[in-house]
Amino acid sequence: QQQVKQSPQSLIVQKGGIPIINCAYENTAFDYFPWYQQFPGKGPALLIAIRPDVSEKKEGRFTISFNKSAKQFSLHIMDSQPGDSATYFCAPQGGKLIFGQGTELSVKP
Amino acid sequence: EPEVTQTPSHQVTQMGQEVILRCVPISNHLYFYWYRQILGQKVEFLVSFYNNEISEKSEIFDDQFSVERPDGSNFTLKIRSTKLEDSAMYFCASRVGGRGERGETQYFGPGTRLLVL
Repeated sequence: QQQVKQSPQSLIVQKGGIPIINCAYENTAFDYFPWYQQFPGKGPALLIAIRPDVSEKKEGRFTISFNKSAKQFSLHIMDSQPGDSATYFCAPQGGKLIFGQGTELSVKP
Repeated sequence: EPEVTQTPSHQVTQMGQEVILRCVPISNHLYFYWYRQILGQKVEFLVSFYNNEISEKSEIFDDQFSVERPDGSNFTLKIRSTKLEDSAMYFCASRVGGRGERGETQYFGPGTRLLVL
């Protein structure tokens, strides 16, 4: 019920590429769907989040696509930059956050 | 911009010793959380705290763990008798509460790296 599966585990793209990270969940009680970004030695920081009554949300270069029936949501990073190199976690929320395993993104110059 | 702060940044302790990890949540926030991240693994929920009591805890949060909000600003996690497997990064988080993105978003501190020898 609480399981969250995130893929891929790691991702390497060239600058300007569009990495896509996917998250699948089981618990239908989740009511808030954030993506967190974490740099080495730092705490996770909210990147972008979506509520389940919306299918897509865009903030700057970051877009969440949400498919409620499939219980999946994904993060797209447009025009990726080397500064986007970090670990990304989906963390659907129903009170507490349930984190995915993380995706280590490397954007090559 | 207000932020969650945690002290100490690093703590080394001997197995069996008690440790207290301290957090100062954002001042108008009402919901408080502890998470931990073992090196190379995902972030795991430990406990949530609201209105001066635990609202939810995970299986990890056994009798060796306790939380307290001793005053209006601090939020502490105590591990009574540390084990080797308690070595991890411990994150405190807080949120203001209420509906909407602003109320739901959890803000994380920089973490305390705990090493149990």
